[in-house]
Amino acid sequence: GQQLNQSPQSMFIQEGEDVSMNCTSSSIFNTWLWYKQDPGEGPVLLIALYKAGELTSNGRLTAQFGITRKDSFLNISASIPSDVGIYFCAGQRPINDYKLSFGAGTTVTVRA
Amino acid sequence: DGGITQSPKYLFRKEGQNVTLSCEQNLNHDAMYWYRQDPGQGLRLIYYSQIVNDFQKGDIAEGYSVSREKKESFPLTVTSAQKNPTAFYLCASSIRESAGELFFGEGSRLTVL
Repeated sequence: GQQLNQSPQSMFIQEGEDVSMNCTSSSIFNTWLWYKQDPGEGPVLLIALYKAGELTSNGRLTAQFGITRKDSFLNISASIPSDVGIYFCAGQRPINDYKLSFGAGTTVTVRA
Repeated sequence: DGGITQSPKYLFRKEGQNVTLSCEQNLNHDAMYWYRQDPGQGLRLIYYSQIVNDFQKGDIAEGYSVSREKKESFPLTVTSAQKNPTAFYLCASSIRESAGELFFGEGSRLTVL
């Protein structure tokens, strides 16, 4: 599967800050998904996007499906300590190839 | 509660040994998947199965084998042919293969001594 370009690779957050990460690809995707993984656990789905231009929220999380269908971003507003973890984007290509491609992840750490 | 159960959580293996990782789901999902996770990398697909008694190779299938004799179960065997088996292995399921929303197990960490 094609790897997605996810950035930043890592970030430090201070409680109360808004943070943003994004994912880009040279290919078109029909679905974009964002997962969060806590240390030693499996990823958990945060948000799924199915339509170009779609903006979807889940609590303090907001994600958008890029209009070109080649990118997506995730925003976390008013971050809290439990937001630390690894955030992965994933894309699903159109027709006959439903396998997901994953980004390398954005590691979010609390700034001391 | 419905979910995916992987076992063991931690496994140590000597070089040259085969090991089997268990994955069971009670979500009544048709599709199941095995991913490998290495530090700083995205998830890479090893094998996937759309229905019972059928499975397909993913991007990094060499050195691995699977079976799907029951809808609920999708065990992964890491064979001695896998040259770099130390990794975190994740099992996942989805309602059907075309659904992108995956439910993951808690993972199994394999270390080769």
